[in-house]
Parts: sequence; C-alpha cells; structure tokens
Amino acid sequence: AQKITQTQPGMFVQEKEAVTLDCTYDTSDQSYGLFWYKQPSSGEMIFLIYQGSYDEQNATEGRYSLNFQKARKSANLVISASQLGDSAMYFCAMSKNYGQNFVFGPGTRLSVLP
Amino acid sequence: DGGITQSPKYLFRKEGQNVTLSCEQNLNHDAMYWYRQDPGQGLRLIYYSQIVNDFQKGDIAEGYSVSREKKESFPLTVTSAQKNPTAFYLCASSMGLGLETQYFGPGTRLLVL
Repeated sequence: AQKITQTQPGMFVQEKEAVTLDCTYDTSDQSYGLFWYKQPSSGEMIFLIYQGSYDEQNATEGRYSLNFQKARKSANLVISASQLGDSAMYFCAMSKNYGQNFVFGPGTRLSVLP
Repeated sequence: DGGITQSPKYLFRKEGQNVTLSCEQNLNHDAMYWYRQDPGQGLRLIYYSQIVNDFQKGDIAEGYSVSREKKESFPLTVTSAQKNPTAFYLCASSMGLGLETQYFGPGTRLLVL
C-alpha cells in the first residue's frame, strides 16, 4: 500500500528566506507521480507542482521546486523567497500509473513571519 | 474561465436528514472525486468516477452515495447512515485516473445541528 509521511506538523520561516518542506513516500510501484498542494485558510486545495517517477530532472514552477531523491523515496518541496501569502497548509500526495490510488500526507502548516 | 464549483459553501444537517452537496466542472475532465477532510488532517477519498454512469467506492464510502449522470456533475449525498458527517468536503476532477493532476473546488463545510 502507498503511504505519504510529512514529519513537520508546523514550520516557521522569515519572509524572503527559503524553506524546505519534507515528504517521504512508500510504494512498491515503479511508475508513480508526486504532487504538492497548498491549502490556505479558505480551504481550497491549490495544485503547486508535479514530479513523475521517471523524470530525471527536478520539477520547478516559479518559486516552487521539488527536490526528488528517488533512492531515498523523498520529494521535498522548496519554496524560495517566502512571501506572507505562502502561509498555509501544504500537502504532499502520490498517485500510481493505473487505477485510483491518490494518497495524501497529513500536511505541514507553514507560517511566514514578517 | 474553466474550473470547479461546489455549493453550498456551508450546509447544516439535522439528525436523520439526507443532504446533497453539489459539484460541477467545466474542464471537460472525465474523472471526478469526493474527499472528506477532518480538522488538522489530510484528505480521505469517499467516491470517485472515471466516466459517466460509473463510480467506485473509496476508503470511506459508508454513509455516502453519489451519481454521475452527466460528465460535468458529480453530486454527493450524505445519508442519515453517516453518523459523524461534520467535516469539510472537497470535490476534484482530472483528465483521467492514474498520474493526472487533480484540481479541486472551493469545498463545502457540513455541520450537524
């Protein structure tokens, strides 16, 4: 069975600094995808970034990058130049290449300090 | 603009009452999903549908029912059999199953009176 672990319940970062949110996963599949979502206090889940298991380069989307270490089964989210609007819950999720098995981690609450 | 809409934003349920949460998408996505989120926790899958007139149970389907009569719509009914329905409900859609990105609606918060 697939499982996502996010070991940081809460994180603080100073505005304009970079922060790394940890995500480790467990799967026996060879083909899978890793996702990060942001959930502000309004509740909507906002898609941030995707990494496929066969992608050789780490994914980047603007200030977001995914540090993918396949052998360690980790998919950490790096946010550069943090902004006050980045304060939110962040969820790591994984899917596999057939069927429906989209699994979410418990989330990390990020607070950006002015 | 394409997107997913959910209504209502807040819903109150009396004991023994069935209530229906609406989810509509205009992204032309084939797959749709319903998730439940309890305070301080991640998302758990209730039901999903890969195509019109077909749907499958997720991890916590007991006390819930769905229908998929149109590609754009995937309503969720919380029945009286669901003894602890107070939660935040999120609808999502994707082009298909598997590695496709899921996009979410704004959610419905259900409270029991």
